[in-house]
Amino acid sequence: EIVLTQSAGTLSLSPGERATLSCRASQSVSSNYLAWYQQKPGQAPRLLIYAASSRATGIPDRFSGSGSGTDFTLTISRLEPEDFAVYYCQQYGSSPRTFGQGTKVEIK
Amino acid sequence: EVQMVESGGGLVKPGGSLRLSCAASGFIFSSYNMNWVRQAPGKGLEWVSSISGSSTYMYYADSVKGRFTISRDNAKNSLYLQMNSLRAEDTAVYYCARSDLGDNSAYSHYWGQGTLVTVSS
Repeated sequence: EIVLTQSAGTLSLSPGERATLSCRASQSVSSNYLAWYQQKPGQAPRLLIYAASSRATGIPDRFSGSGSGTDFTLTISRLEPEDFAVYYCQQYGSSPRTFGQGTKVEIK
Repeated sequence: EVQMVESGGGLVKPGGSLRLSCAASGFIFSSYNMNWVRQAPGKGLEWVSSISGSSTYMYYADSVKGRFTISRDNAKNSLYLQMNSLRAEDTAVYYCARSDLGDNSAYSHYWGQGTLVTVSS
């Protein structure tokens, strides 16, 4: 089983700042099959990024994904008020399709 | 519009059974792999199970293997999760989610709103 570790439990940032979220895998993620999701309280998760760096339909270009192998990053270039939420990474290259434990981006 | 609506959640005693359903609409259901993902209260996301469009392939998390069974009825545009031998740690909101087309698209693109399962005596 691939364990995904999101190093920061919480990031405290201000609107307009850049957010950099990390996701590290215990072994190489097959074909960089890594996704990022955003979840707000009381809502279902929303897909942001798939295949490490491809933005899902309708996702603003301030969200970008990068990385390969075992180290992946989600970057939000300039935080908007609606971006304060919890973010999860997931690898889907092998079963079980594990999630990271999440990083909360909160308003500073 | 792609839509999934889960149902069947509720309160069940430890050791009991429950069957979750997910009614899908707005897409050709049989063409897509489907997933169940759960979230315990105040906790993170946990992938539970996935099934291919023709039911050829089914995958399970170790935590539910042997107790849960995923299935689908393409004629009814419906996904199911039969949950047996339920434990307190199975308490969670269960989400139905659709992947995108292709074997390299096993992420969950579209999600339902979830159904709450509570396992308690």
